[in-house]
Amino acid sequence: AQSVTQLGSHVSVSEGALVLLRCNYSSSVPPYLFWYVQYPNQGLQLLLKYTSAATLVKGINGFEAEFKKSETSFHLTKPSAHMSDAAEYFCAVSDHNQGGKLIFGQGTELSVKP
Amino acid sequence: GAVVSQHPSRVICKSGTSVKIECRSLDFQATTMFWYRQFPKQSLMLMATSNEGSKATYEQGVEKDKFLINHASLTLSTLTVTSAHPEDSSFYICSAKGTGSQPQHFGDGTRLSIL
Repeated sequence: AQSVTQLGSHVSVSEGALVLLRCNYSSSVPPYLFWYVQYPNQGLQLLLKYTSAATLVKGINGFEAEFKKSETSFHLTKPSAHMSDAAEYFCAVSDHNQGGKLIFGQGTELSVKP
Repeated sequence: GAVVSQHPSRVICKSGTSVKIECRSLDFQATTMFWYRQFPKQSLMLMATSNEGSKATYEQGVEKDKFLINHASLTLSTLTVTSAHPEDSSFYICSAKGTGSQPQHFGDGTRLSIL
């Protein structure tokens, strides 16, 4: 069975500081991994996805994530936080392919201080 | 591209009422749609997966007679919460995907409040 663990339910950074949101996965097959962002009272927006191509994946809004098989990790980073990055972030793994059933982590709320 | 529209965005109704939520793919054909439920400050919980023209597959613990799902066309799926009660109050989100390895695209969710 596949699972996703996000370390830290809440992360707070200062504007301009590095953003690091942690995600570890468990999968018996090569996984497809995703990061989504959710703003209050809205659905999910895809930030980036890993689909067994390049291990360093660049997404929208300056975010990127690196797939590390040895560490079973897919941490999300951004060099410099903006106030507009404050939101809930979800890591997810797919059980079959990009469009298969998604298994979500618990979510990490990112706060950005001025 | 790949826009998913969910309607209504917010519903407030009395206990015992049935509520229908629509999920439409505006610019692609959605062979599969997913329905999720999200409680405050929690992750998304998959309720069911529906394929166009087929019966929905419900996750364990989700009452199929309570949450009726219809996916009659390649651009529309509906979730009907029958005889809703206060404990059904939640944020419901749909997603849709096209054929093959296309990713899921999410609607903006529906806030359901049962009084």
